Amino acid sequence: NAGVTQTPKFRILKIGQSMTLQCTQDMNHNYMYWYRQDPGMGLKLIYYSVGAGITDKGEVPNGYNVSRSTTEDFPLRLELAAPSQTSVYFCASSYNVNRGPYEQYFGPGTRLTVT
Amino acid sequence: QQQVKQSPQSLIVQKGGISIINCAYENTAFDYFPWYQQFPGKGPALLIAIRPDVSEKKEGRFTISFNKSAKQFSLHIMDSQPGDSATYFCAALKVYDYKLSFGAGTTVTVRA
Repeated sequence: NAGVTQTPKFRILKIGQSMTLQCTQDMNHNYMYWYRQDPGMGLKLIYYSVGAGITDKGEVPNGYNVSRSTTEDFPLRLELAAPSQTSVYFCASSYNVNRGPYEQYFGPGTRLTVT
Repeated sequence: QQQVKQSPQSLIVQKGGISIINCAYENTAFDYFPWYQQFPGKGPALLIAIRPDVSEKKEGRFTISFNKSAKQFSLHIMDSQPGDSATYFCAALKVYDYKLSFGAGTTVTVRA
């Protein structure tokens, strides 16, 4: 079991460029999440998905898009990158939170810099 | 608006000492309170969690104390070791709402 994998590990973007952060999990989890982590701010939820074909906005969705065509994959798309999107991005997954267990499993993160 | 307030921002403790991190929340609908541990360059990983029907949970050297009436919970790391040096996040979840709310994090440094 690889768990949750993310690519790339690092990326530098120029303002206005676009990119897709990849996330894959091999635990057959229904739920998947994207967070961003900024210094001293904890983790903020960007988007989440409760199953293939179903996505919804989290706390800070502006400037991002997601899709969930399979159980395993949950890519995050940045359109027209801005310096405010400089952050570390984490993908996570969990079982059905209504039944538990509620643990979220995190990937290793993608460090993105927009200049 | 931070739904879970965490303090202190950082702390330094000597090897063998006790590390204490405090969190407070406002929303009484929260019903699951995990703590995550994060090492530099890694993603957070679940350390220990508690439901509000118990006041304390212990796993090894890590203990959560939960005060439902005060809407506060804390993490105690007993006999702190250099390998415990990490950032710790408290969090809260409304089970049927799917979304974890994280505290801002506490960086713990254990000096040998």
